[in-house]
Amino acid sequence: AQSVTQLGSHVSVSEGALVLLRCNYSSSVPPYLFWYVQYPNQGLQLLLKYTTGATLVKGINGFEAEFKKSETSFHLTKPSAHMSDAAEYFCAVSAGTNAGKSTFGDGTTLTVKP
Amino acid sequence: EAGVTQSPTHLIKTRGQQATLRCSPISGHTSVYWYQQALGLGLQFLLWYDEGEERNRGNFPPRFSGRQFPNYSSELNVNALELEDSALYLCASSLQGGPVTGELFFGEGSRLTVL
Repeated sequence: AQSVTQLGSHVSVSEGALVLLRCNYSSSVPPYLFWYVQYPNQGLQLLLKYTTGATLVKGINGFEAEFKKSETSFHLTKPSAHMSDAAEYFCAVSAGTNAGKSTFGDGTTLTVKP
Repeated sequence: EAGVTQSPTHLIKTRGQQATLRCSPISGHTSVYWYQQALGLGLQFLLWYDEGEERNRGNFPPRFSGRQFPNYSSELNVNALELEDSALYLCASSLQGGPVTGELFFGEGSRLTVL
């Protein structure tokens, strides 16, 4: 079984401030981890993914995430928020025995204040 | 290259009716996934099709069904519509083998409203 917990359904930051969106997972097998972004009235778009190898992964739009096995975390960060980053962000986990059934977190809505 | 396309964009039905939603995956992708995104309930996995076969199913009643055609496009059918079926239905595609081998590519969604 697998699960994803996103801490904080709403996060608000000022433009230029650090963005930190938290994701913790549980998985009985080595996980594949993903962050997706959903802009209003659109589908989800992949930001970045971790499968194997380097634990710090870089994605689009200046986002990055670090896989920490000991903490079962995959937090998403961006050094400096931009107004265009306002969206809903989803963390997802997929494990070998559950291929085709990625589990998504409940999402975190990021608001960026001018 | 065309992305995942879904139709219709919006659909309004009344309770008890049937709804059919359609999805065309990215060219070369053989797997299609359906998700329901209801207000306040996050993204819920519905169905996974690969090579024309249903590979996995989420925790939804049998009135949610679908199929995948030889050209890998897919349709989702929802019978005996209930008010709580109102949601954004997202289709995604990936290369063979499911998300384990790569990411999901999502369409823009079909918004179903049940009155």
